[in-house]
Amino acid sequence: GIQVEQSPPDLILQEGANSTLRCNFSDSVNNLQWFHQNPWGQLINLFYIPSGTKQNGRLSATTVATERYSLLYISSSQTTDSGVYFCAVPDLSSGSARQLTFGSGTQLTVLP
Amino acid sequence: DTGVSQDPRHKITKRGQNVTFRCDPISEHNRLYWYRQTLGQGPEFLTYFQNEAQLEKSRLLSDRFSAERPKGSFSTLEIQRTEQGDSAMYLCASSLGGANVLTFGAGSRLTVL
Repeated sequence: GIQVEQSPPDLILQEGANSTLRCNFSDSVNNLQWFHQNPWGQLINLFYIPSGTKQNGRLSATTVATERYSLLYISSSQTTDSGVYFCAVPDLSSGSARQLTFGSGTQLTVLP
Repeated sequence: DTGVSQDPRHKITKRGQNVTFRCDPISEHNRLYWYRQTLGQGPEFLTYFQNEAQLEKSRLLSDRFSAERPKGSFSTLEIQRTEQGDSAMYLCASSLGGANVLTFGAGSRLTVL
């Protein structure tokens, strides 16, 4: 099946700093989603981004499907950005576009 | 739009007991998914429904696990003869046809003693 690797595994920032999270995947995909899991466990969908760049406030994401990676950029970080960030892609090689394979996440801690 | 609701939020049970989780998806969403998440890992796909039809199941899904979605509305996930290795967060998500953009519920945390 498809392999999804996220880096860095852990990141500690001072409030106001910027950061870039990376997601590499091993096979062709037709969509990619970024999620934020808050400290209470709730997963929030941030972006659906099969290719190109999208922005939503202080967050933006870029997927370069031909090179099999995606980046999530967080600017002017706030303490509420803390949590785990996951990327997820479909495992097309398994014959399913519905089964998302998640990376192991980046644990972000933003200090006040 | 009240989001995806899951019940119960927490369940503690003894090994060998059966447990059932319920998921109420966003009302207009025709697709419903169950995922499992263990500590420090990303969610892992279990099964997927389109309306009332269960279209996909993970090869990793034990036969002790069964899911239903009668009438294409809410869904239940039952685990029979629970084992300690079943301890995890069970996440439900739903989506509307077309792009597979998932909205997750808050999850049901299972602890098997």
